[in-house]
Amino acid sequence: SQQGEEDPQALSIQEGENATMNCSYKTSINNLQWYRQNSGRGLVHLILIRSNEREKHSGRLRVTLDTSKKSSSLLITASRAADTASYFCATDRNNDMRFGAGTRLTVKP
Amino acid sequence: ETGVTQTPRHLVMGMTNKKSLKCEQHLGHNAMYWYKQSAKKPLELMFVYNFKEQTENNSVPSRFSPECPNSSHLFLHLHTLQPEDSALYLCASSPLGTNTEAFFGQGTRLTVV
Repeated sequence: SQQGEEDPQALSIQEGENATMNCSYKTSINNLQWYRQNSGRGLVHLILIRSNEREKHSGRLRVTLDTSKKSSSLLITASRAADTASYFCATDRNNDMRFGAGTRLTVKP
Repeated sequence: ETGVTQTPRHLVMGMTNKKSLKCEQHLGHNAMYWYKQSAKKPLELMFVYNFKEQTENNSVPSRFSPECPNSSHLFLHLHTLQPEDSALYLCASSPLGTNTEAFFGQGTRLTVV
C-alpha cells in the first residue's frame, strides 16, 4: 500500500542523544512528510522531502529519502525532553496522504 | 495553533444518538480531510474533499456521513455508531497541488457508549 510504516514502534533515549526513526512504503510518491503529535493532540508538520530530493535539514532534524528502497529516515540530533512525542511519516501522492502507526519517542531528562 | 479548528474537543454519545463534528479553516485551503486515529493503529484516511467535492471515500461505513458546504467548513455527521468507533477524529486541510503540507486540527475525542 502507499501507507508508510514506521520503525521502531517505540524508542527511549537519554537527553542529548540522537534519535533515528525509519519509514518504509510500497508505492510511488510525490513526496514524503514527517509529522509530530503530542499525546491526544493534532499532528504538526515537521518537514517535507520531495521524491527527487535525497536529504533535507531543518534545525535539529535531518531527513533522508531513498526512493529505490522506498524508505526514509528522520534523525533528531541532541534530543531534548520536549521532543517526547509520536512521530509519523506520511506518503503523499496527488493530495492523497497516508500515515503509518508512528514511532513513540521518549526522551528522558 | 495551526489555523484548523475542530469542535467539540470531546464527545460522549450513545449508540442511538445523532451528533456532528465540525471542522473550520480560514487558511484558504481547498482540500479538507477526515482521519480516524485509534490506539496503536495507523491514521485511517476517511474522506477527502477538493473544492467541496468528495474525491475519496475510503470504504467508510454509512453511519459516518461527511458534508462540505464550502471550502472552509467540513462536518462529519454521526449516526448509530458502535463502541469500536471510539477514537480521535482529526480534520486536516491543505492547499491543492503537489508538495503541500497538511494542517491538522486538535481533534475530537469521541467515545461511544
